[in-house]
Amino acid sequence: GESVGLHLPTLSVQEGDNSIINCAYSNSASDYFIWYKQESGKGPQFIIDIRSNMDKRQGQRVTVLLNKTVKHLSLQIAATQPGDSAVYFCAETPNNNDMRFGAGTRLTVKP
Amino acid sequence: DGGITQSPKYLFRKEGQNVTLSCEQNLNHDAMYWYRQDPGQGLRLIYYSQIVNDFQKGDIAEGYSVSREKKESFPLTVTSAQKNPTAFYLCASSASSGRGIKGYTFGSGTRLTVV
Repeated sequence: GESVGLHLPTLSVQEGDNSIINCAYSNSASDYFIWYKQESGKGPQFIIDIRSNMDKRQGQRVTVLLNKTVKHLSLQIAATQPGDSAVYFCAETPNNNDMRFGAGTRLTVKP
Repeated sequence: DGGITQSPKYLFRKEGQNVTLSCEQNLNHDAMYWYRQDPGQGLRLIYYSQIVNDFQKGDIAEGYSVSREKKESFPLTVTSAQKNPTAFYLCASSASSGRGIKGYTFGSGTRLTVV
């Protein structure tokens, strides 16, 4: 989900379990969405994207679901690994000028 | 390999100093962006440029300045007018304004600390 204040929402999962990270986006006119992964001290890395004419898209071990009715996006990670530990945030494109980013969710994978 | 390079990785600024953060890309991207990231918060847009010799203010431009004299380069100056500059600064680029082929490509960031 989205953060409130200075503390990121956190999700802690056991290695091998599936993870689901949620994001509520703000603009109903947004038509392109991306999930990014950011490891500590590094820049965000692209994971997967989806356009608004789709409601599901799958990648390698990751799936993004889009529910435009409630403006909700989720990222599912299958068989979560320790290397998946990072902050994950969604981004939406409400216009042609810039992309808007959520605050992120911190995923911690326990061995 | 194509990419986007930010330097330095760590930067320390004294009170009242201006400092410049470098961002260079060899992706032939038209658009470039500067974001600020504070702990526990999302990315906030400082400035963006869709084309050489043109740039626009983002949400938190006060105390910052940029230039875009070359397509490859988009340096950010943090001026003494920025009262709380300690943060992680991220530069990004995209093939076209808004989204690009895969959204934005980010640099590895510069951590600026006021001492």
